[in-house]
Amino acid sequence: AAGVIQSPRHLIKEKRETATLKCYPIPRHDTVYWYQQGPGQDPQFLISFYEKMQSDKGSIPDRFSAQQFSDYHSELNMSSLELGDSALYFCASSLRSPGQGHGYTFGSGTRLTVV
Amino acid sequence: DAKTTQPNSMESNEEEPVHLPCNHSTISGTDYIHWYRQLPSQGPEYVIHGLTSNVNNRMASLAIAEDRKSSTLILHRATLRDAAVYYCILRDYWDTGRRALTFGSGTRLQVQP
Repeated sequence: AAGVIQSPRHLIKEKRETATLKCYPIPRHDTVYWYQQGPGQDPQFLISFYEKMQSDKGSIPDRFSAQQFSDYHSELNMSSLELGDSALYFCASSLRSPGQGHGYTFGSGTRLTVV
Repeated sequence: DAKTTQPNSMESNEEEPVHLPCNHSTISGTDYIHWYRQLPSQGPEYVIHGLTSNVNNRMASLAIAEDRKSSTLILHRATLRDAAVYYCILRDYWDTGRRALTFGSGTRLQVQP
């Protein structure tokens, strides 16, 4: 079965550079979520999109932005990178149906290292 | 989301059953109990969910207390591959699929050979 695809798997950037992370949700899933997980931390919700519109906003820094495109893939854009942005970034997708406990599927993540 | 409380860590031996507890004393009537786990360097993955009755699937069993204020995730025979952080999450029926999952502090399970 198709899973959530994230690219790249690994990314190394220097301080003050920009980075773009991509997420391809499971086909027919209409909602995409972005999470950040720092070393030794639990995943923290950043932002989500439903039908290409921003749905919820978590602890996403102003330096970050995201969007969902017509094919439902999503991109997380990160600018003015800081050392503290080094983390695993996960994308998840779901179908916006109530009660679907198993409906959240996560990708394998992008490991961003800022040097 | 209503709060859940889990032990920080647990240890088990390979091939033995593991019981991972979760307390959720403020659970509401429409809250489902979900369990996700995160293997090292991987994204979280769904394990099981339930409302009132005990649930079984190929990965695990979920035992829910009669008053629903606690639940237990049961791995019948732990393997080394089950070493992960296990998260117990409450989700209102209408929020599931509409809002992001919120991860609290889960239980880090170590499995010894």
